[in-house]
Amino acid sequence: EADIYQTPRYLVIGTGKKITLECSQTMGHDKMYWYQQDPGMELHLIHYSYGVNSTEKGDLSSESTVSRIRTEHFPLTLESARPSHTSQYLCASKQGSEQYFGPGTRLTVT
Amino acid sequence: GENVEQHPSTLSVQEGDSAVIKCTYSDSASNYFPWYKQELGKGPQLIIDIRSNVGEKKDQRIAVTLNKTAKHFSLHITETQPEDSAVYFCAATGDDKIIFGKGTRLHILP
Repeated sequence: EADIYQTPRYLVIGTGKKITLECSQTMGHDKMYWYQQDPGMELHLIHYSYGVNSTEKGDLSSESTVSRIRTEHFPLTLESARPSHTSQYLCASKQGSEQYFGPGTRLTVT
Repeated sequence: GENVEQHPSTLSVQEGDSAVIKCTYSDSASNYFPWYKQELGKGPQLIIDIRSNVGEKKDQRIAVTLNKTAKHFSLHITETQPEDSAVYFCAATGDDKIIFGKGTRLHILP
């Protein structure tokens, strides 16, 4: 059973607002990831981190930013939300081969 | 670059029948092949995995097979039940990022 948490689970917010999606894990995993999932199911990697103070952009360009100040915490920030940011955001962590996902945040920007 | 192809994208089977989802991968360095199940409103959950030194693995009603030569791997679900309805993702990884298939939406018909 994976101990990885995301808050909020659902968020409806107006255009132009700054938002932070929280992700935390209690497993001590070094590697953490953010994915954006479109309605067609496909998972797109937008950010990843291999440890504290390490962050990299993923395969899909994203206007969001991330930080990794503590091993257990990997928040994602959107400085100015737009309707095009409406999506499901999934956080994951990995140690060795096995990767575990959080429950996701469903973001709607109006 | 690395790629994982997954088929079919949608699959409907009668309750009690078997379901098979197939994937192919391109990176010959891949040595770990997990399968994830994603239920509505939740994050993907790891349900079974197989490593490159094994040809088949079974866990109750689900089994995975791997053909390294052909770079094929498959998920088999027998005696399907309504709770098997979900989206399933295959994936492949070596030591770096995990590459996901685009997903299969499985419908179990009553």
